[in-house]
Amino acid sequence: EPEVTQTPSHQVTQMGQEVILRCVPISNHLYFYWYRQILGQKVEFLVSFYNNEISEKSEIFDDQFSVERPDGSNFTLKIRSTKLEDSAMYFCASSVLGITNEKLFFGSGTQLSVL
Amino acid sequence: DAKTTQPPSMDCAEGRAANLPCNHSTISGNEYVYWYRQIHSQGPQYIIHGLKNNETNEMASLIITEDRKSSTLILPHATLRDTAVYYCIVRVAGEGSNDYKLSFGAGTTVTVRA
Repeated sequence: EPEVTQTPSHQVTQMGQEVILRCVPISNHLYFYWYRQILGQKVEFLVSFYNNEISEKSEIFDDQFSVERPDGSNFTLKIRSTKLEDSAMYFCASSVLGITNEKLFFGSGTQLSVL
Repeated sequence: DAKTTQPPSMDCAEGRAANLPCNHSTISGNEYVYWYRQIHSQGPQYIIHGLKNNETNEMASLIITEDRKSSTLILPHATLRDTAVYYCIVRVAGEGSNDYKLSFGAGTTVTVRA
């Protein structure tokens, strides 16, 4: 089965630094998502992206966050100035059409540790 | 979003069927019921979804009550690798809706024991 690929698997950064998390969605998918999961907590929606623009974003996704599809394959999440509370597992997901009766495919995640 | 209620945890014996309940009493007529699972901090994995009818695939069966206010996920022969957190999610839908995200709750932690 095709997979969503995320790199790196682990990222350690200093508070205040910028980080970019990378994802390669499944090739024929058109909708892309970022979720995060703080240790021991729920999986939280951050943002959805379609047709080179944000479709929806949560309250968590403030001005420190941005997403981009810089080429035809990658989908990135940038955190401009990381805070300690940004430490979490970040999951990328994709779906073919974004309609409500289809499934999302998730990557294996990037564990971000902010020191 | 319609809220879902799941038991926080349950145990199951290896080789036996695991029946995972979910209540979604405020579900709307055009909302689907989805089940995902998350094995030890891996990315969530799709299991099955349905609207009204019962569904079965290679992983599980989904039984939705006639009034659609509750459902049960059945893992027919649980294995140790089925130990995971299982999420029951009702997906917002509707004409003109562009809300395609999944909203995860706390889920049910299922432990399959040998």
